[in-house]
Amino acid sequence: AQKVTQAQTEISVVEKEDVTLDCVYETRDTTYYLFWYKQPPSGELVFLIRRNSFDEQNEISGRYSWNFQKSTSSFNFTITASQVVDSAVYFCALSEFIYQAGTALIFGKGTTLSVSS
Amino acid sequence: KAGVTQTPRYLIKTRGQQVTLSCSPISGHRSVSWYQQTPGQGLQFLFEYFSETQRNKGNFPGRFSGRQFSNSRSEMNVSTLELGDSALYLCASSSGRGLAGISSTDTQYFGPGTRLTVL
Repeated sequence: AQKVTQAQTEISVVEKEDVTLDCVYETRDTTYYLFWYKQPPSGELVFLIRRNSFDEQNEISGRYSWNFQKSTSSFNFTITASQVVDSAVYFCALSEFIYQAGTALIFGKGTTLSVSS
Repeated sequence: KAGVTQTPRYLIKTRGQQVTLSCSPISGHRSVSWYQQTPGQGLQFLFEYFSETQRNKGNFPGRFSGRQFSNSRSEMNVSTLELGDSALYLCASSSGRGLAGISSTDTQYFGPGTRLTVL
């Protein structure tokens, strides 16, 4: 069965610290997609990144970076030099490759990040 | 481009009533998915509609239903409300085709949600 685990429930850091959010997933399929979303207090889920299972190249986008490792079924997310505006709940999600079928995201429980000044 | 819109943003109902929530996807997107978010269960998939057809369904009772119109707007309905239905209901929009026509490769873009409180 598909499953996404975010073991860290809450993380508190001080501004300018680096922080890594962990995500471990389980799936039977060899083709799948992984996502990270951010949910600020307003409630809307904001898309951050999508990765497919064949692309293990790590990515950096500004202060954000992602480390995808199939060998450990992990898709971790790092914020460098955190800022107060980064305070939000971060969700990791998994979508399996289902030809001509609908899409359903399986979400982890989320990690609440609090950045203080 | 306008994002996903959901109405109403807040709703208070009493047990036994029914409720209808509305979602307008991003222009050009043909797939609409619905998710329920509660503190206990987290984010759970309800169903997905594409071209007015339900294409995928999560594990929710029949009290939860939905539909999609020809303009891709979608509604979800919850009948005979229970206290446990209190939640944030999120709608997500995607093109519906994804890479090489595979919908599961799509990125879903979410609306602000409708917060339903059942008293």
